[in-house]
Parts: sequence; C-alpha cells; structure tokens
Amino acid sequence: GAVVSQHPSRVICKSGTSVKIECRSLDFQATTMFWYRQFPKQSLMLMATSNEGSKATYEQGVEKDKFLINHASLTLSTLTVTSAHPEDSSFYICSAHRRLADTGELFFGEGSRLTVL
Amino acid sequence: AQTVTQSQPEMSVQEAETVTLSCTYDTSENNYYLFWYKQPPSRQMILVIRQEAYKQQNATENRFSVNFQKAAKSFSLKISDSQLGDTAMYFCAFYNFNKFYFGSGTKLNVKP
Repeated sequence: GAVVSQHPSRVICKSGTSVKIECRSLDFQATTMFWYRQFPKQSLMLMATSNEGSKATYEQGVEKDKFLINHASLTLSTLTVTSAHPEDSSFYICSAHRRLADTGELFFGEGSRLTVL
Repeated sequence: AQTVTQSQPEMSVQEAETVTLSCTYDTSENNYYLFWYKQPPSRQMILVIRQEAYKQQNATENRFSVNFQKAAKSFSLKISDSQLGDTAMYFCAFYNFNKFYFGSGTKLNVKP
C-alpha cells in the first residue's frame, strides 16, 4: 500500500518556539493532504486541507497564523506550529489523498506528538 | 454537513469470537464512500475496509466485513475470529467531495 511518512514522530519544545512537522507521500503524488489534531482518547479533528500549489483551507476555529501549512510539492506538506504554547501539545496526524478515480484513498502518516514545555 | 456517529465508546470481545461495531451517518448525498480505520496503540491509522455507496454488495476483507444499509444510513463492522492484534480504536469515516468526516471512535479490547 501507499506510504506516508511523517517526521518527527516526537518533539519537545519550549514555549514560544516554532516547530515544523513534515508529511511526505513516498510512492505516490498527493494532490491533497489533510492535517488532523487528536486529543487523548478522542477522534481526529480536521485542522486544514492542503492542496499543492495553493493556500490551505482551514477549518473553523483553527488559527491559520498559528498553524502554518505549506504544500510546496505533490509529495510534501509541512505544518509549522508558531509560537507554541503548552495548550498546543497534542498528537498531529497528516494524511494524503491519492486521487485515483476519486475513490477516496486516504493514507495516514505515523503521527507526531508535540509536547510544549 | 455530514455527521458520523459511533455510539459504542468501548467494547470487549473474547479472542476467537465475533464482534460488531456500529456506525451511523447523516448525509443528503447519494454518492460517497465509507471506511473503517483502525488505530492501534502505535497510533498510525490503518485502513480496514472500504465501501462505495453505489455498491449494494457488502464489502469483505478476510475476517472483516460490513453491513451497509444505505436507506438506514448504517455502516457496521463485523470482526470474525477476533485476534489479540485487533485491539485498537476503530473509527468510522465518511468521504465525499474531498472531505473526510470521522466518528468519535470505538475502543475494542480483545481478551485472551
């Protein structure tokens, strides 16, 4: 199956610093990537939809200036948490949509656990 | 907006037995896809099974099968011959127009 790689898997940072998380589709071109946030024992909350070469579409309530998303190529999207605070600590998951006759194929990265001290 | 509801927060099943996880959804669309994803303790989401709404035949994938009732907007997952490795969170998901909607998840514990 298709592989989506997410890096880093764990990151600890100090409050006020910025953290970048990368999401790569290793063996297919991802026209669309999604970024989710997952709180403990809860479902995935869609943060934004990222289309290659265009601005990301953010869900209501997600601060686009805080969570910067860049989708510069068909295989790479990045999420930058700017001026991180402890409340930003969470599990962040990316997924890539491979449009094959629009079958809804969606492949997930391994997730990144962010801890802000 | 589409909604996906999983009414069972947690379930347990003995190894080798069968368990069914429930999922209902709400949509006014006619064409869409439904999925069950598994999230083991490692946290990576894994596709279990997929169903196209236009297909009447229920999808099966080895020990996993679904009962898709389009009129009732129901999409349950049956796991036969449960194995310890099936222990995980299971999420039901709805896809349409480049948007995925996830249910709240069901935590499945397979007991030896």
